Amino acid sequence: GAVVSQHPSWVICKSGTSVKIECRSLDFQATTMFWYRQFPKQSLMLMATSNEGSKATYEQGVEKDKFLINHASLTLSTLTVTSAHPEDSSFYICSARELAGIAKNIQYFGAGTRLSVL
Amino acid sequence: GQQVMQIPQYQHVQEGEDFTTYCNSSTTLSNIQWYKQRPGGHPVFLIQLVKSGEVKKQKRLTFQFGEAKKNSSLHITATQTTDVGTYFCAGTGVYNSGAGSYQLTFGKGTKLSVIP
Repeated sequence: GAVVSQHPSWVICKSGTSVKIECRSLDFQATTMFWYRQFPKQSLMLMATSNEGSKATYEQGVEKDKFLINHASLTLSTLTVTSAHPEDSSFYICSARELAGIAKNIQYFGAGTRLSVL
Repeated sequence: GQQVMQIPQYQHVQEGEDFTTYCNSSTTLSNIQWYKQRPGGHPVFLIQLVKSGEVKKQKRLTFQFGEAKKNSSLHITATQTTDVGTYFCAGTGVYNSGAGSYQLTFGKGTKLSVIP
């Protein structure tokens, strides 16, 4: 299957600092990338959908100024958690989809980034 | 909005016993996908079902898509310790014009524990 690389896998930062997470599709071009957040023992919560070259679409309740998403190329999307606070501590997972359309709506997930804000 | 309910939330089985998780959507789905997330890991795509009434098998795993395309199930025969993890269903439903994408809605998952 397709490979999605997410970096870093673990980050610890002080409150008030910003953290950037990278998501790369290694062997395919991702027209769309998705960012999820997962709390312990919970399901995946979609935060935003990003299409290459356009602004990300954020889900209701997700602050776009807090979680900055950039999808500058077909293989890279970044999520920046700005001025992180302890309540932002979570497991962030990206996924990428190669082609558009109903039949090709399979998402390949990165390994996730565990963010701990002190 | 589109909702996908998944039951049970947790399941503990003795190794060798069978296991089933069920998924129900509030709306008709275009397709349904199943993912497995091992403890500490990330979701990994297992399979996609598209046709009404479709049944697919992967070794000991059997996946079904309901006739009305609103429900699905995953059945594992004779569970092994390697089956441990959380199984998520995800349904493709309406087109999200804002996002330019068909929405994929995940169920809350069923966490499977296998007792050796």
